[in-house]
Amino acid sequence: AQSVTQPDIHITVSEGASLELRCNYSYGATPYLFWYVQSPGQGLQLLLKYFSGDTLVQGIKGFEAEFKRSQSSFNLRKPSVHWSDAAEYFCAVGAGVPSFQKLVFGTGTRLLVSP
Amino acid sequence: DVKVTQSSRYLVKRTGEKVFLECVQDMDHENMFWYRQDPGLGLRLIYFSYDVKMKEKGDIPEGYSVSREKKERFSLILESASTNQTSMYLCASRARYRGRLSTDTQYFGPGTRLTVL
Repeated sequence: AQSVTQPDIHITVSEGASLELRCNYSYGATPYLFWYVQSPGQGLQLLLKYFSGDTLVQGIKGFEAEFKRSQSSFNLRKPSVHWSDAAEYFCAVGAGVPSFQKLVFGTGTRLLVSP
Repeated sequence: DVKVTQSSRYLVKRTGEKVFLECVQDMDHENMFWYRQDPGLGLRLIYFSYDVKMKEKGDIPEGYSVSREKKERFSLILESASTNQTSMYLCASRARYRGRLSTDTQYFGPGTRLTVL
């Protein structure tokens, strides 16, 4: 069965420092991979997604992620964190054939930004 | 912009009550989804619908049912609410798959925080 692991429950980063959030997936076929962000009291917003092609994917708000098939990873990065990036981040894998695809989510990583 | 709205942000119900959670999307999306979100468990899929009057069970359908009578509206029903159904409920919608270049993005509503006493 498909699964997603986000090993870090909480991460604290100083404002202006770089960020990397880890995501490992388990899926037999070529994965569809997503990162979503949830700000306090809000729904989920898509940051970026990977389907195929270039393994380095650019997203909104200055985020990027790199797909590494050999490591089954899709880590999220940002070179300089802003206080407004404090939120919960979810990695997800698309499971099943595209027409009937469901998302399997990780348990999330809560990002805290210190001044 | 895609807009997914949910009927209530906060809801408090009593054990045994019948509860309706409503979700409406304005982008003519064929696919709609209901998730519940719990700390440490992430989002788990309850039910989804690929088109009007169509529904499929997700990973945790027990204790829930759904209704999709109109394309834009997807309702989640708790027939007899229990305290273990206290949670955040998120609705999402997505356009039908039209080939590899089509968007597979799910758009989420703001969520309904349900408390069952």
